[in-house]
Amino acid sequence: GQQVMQIPQYQHVQEGEDFTTYCNSSTTLSNIQWYKQRPGGHPVFLIQLVKSGEVKKQKRLTFQFGEAKKNSSLHITATQTTDVGTYFCAGGGLYNFNKFYFGSGTKLNVKP
Amino acid sequence: SQTIHQWPATLVQPVGSPLSLECTVEGTSNPNLYWYRQAAGRGLQLLFYSVGIGQISSEVPQNLSASRPQDRQFILSSKKLLLSDSGFYLCAWSVQGFSNQPQHFGDGTRLSIL
Repeated sequence: GQQVMQIPQYQHVQEGEDFTTYCNSSTTLSNIQWYKQRPGGHPVFLIQLVKSGEVKKQKRLTFQFGEAKKNSSLHITATQTTDVGTYFCAGGGLYNFNKFYFGSGTKLNVKP
Repeated sequence: SQTIHQWPATLVQPVGSPLSLECTVEGTSNPNLYWYRQAAGRGLQLLFYSVGIGQISSEVPQNLSASRPQDRQFILSSKKLLLSDSGFYLCAWSVQGFSNQPQHFGDGTRLSIL
């Protein structure tokens, strides 16, 4: 079945350092979404990428969708303590628009 | 605006007892509805999704069932809970459409089985 792998599982950075998490799918995706889950909270939608090679920015966050629509990355520049949480990617199925395949998440810890 | 309500927030149940978790959505019609389970420190496992009243798709064989008796109501149930059913249960909704739409999650229910 379709799988979305996400690495790394954990990342500890010093405040001000950069952070990147990567997602890879075994099959082509219709789109990719990114979510952030704060400790003790629920996932919150950040962004959706649809086009091959698409790049979107939200302040210090940069999201990329691969040319083959099978991989994606989230890069945070100059992390802050408010960035702490777990970041999930979710791939949309090509043939089932109602279903998402979540990555296992990357837990980010930022030391002040 | 749309809101999603999920209750209870926490639940402690003995092994072998029944379960009923409820999720309701307001401010939208005919949403896609989802139940996920998240083990401590882990990712999201899709349990069930529904595209309409009475339409339930099960993703993994398990001890749980889901029902959608009304358009904006999604219920997760079990007749007899197992220790392995412990976890953080999240309900989510999305707009139905021709492409995958963002999912909006409820606050979740932390279920502990003793």
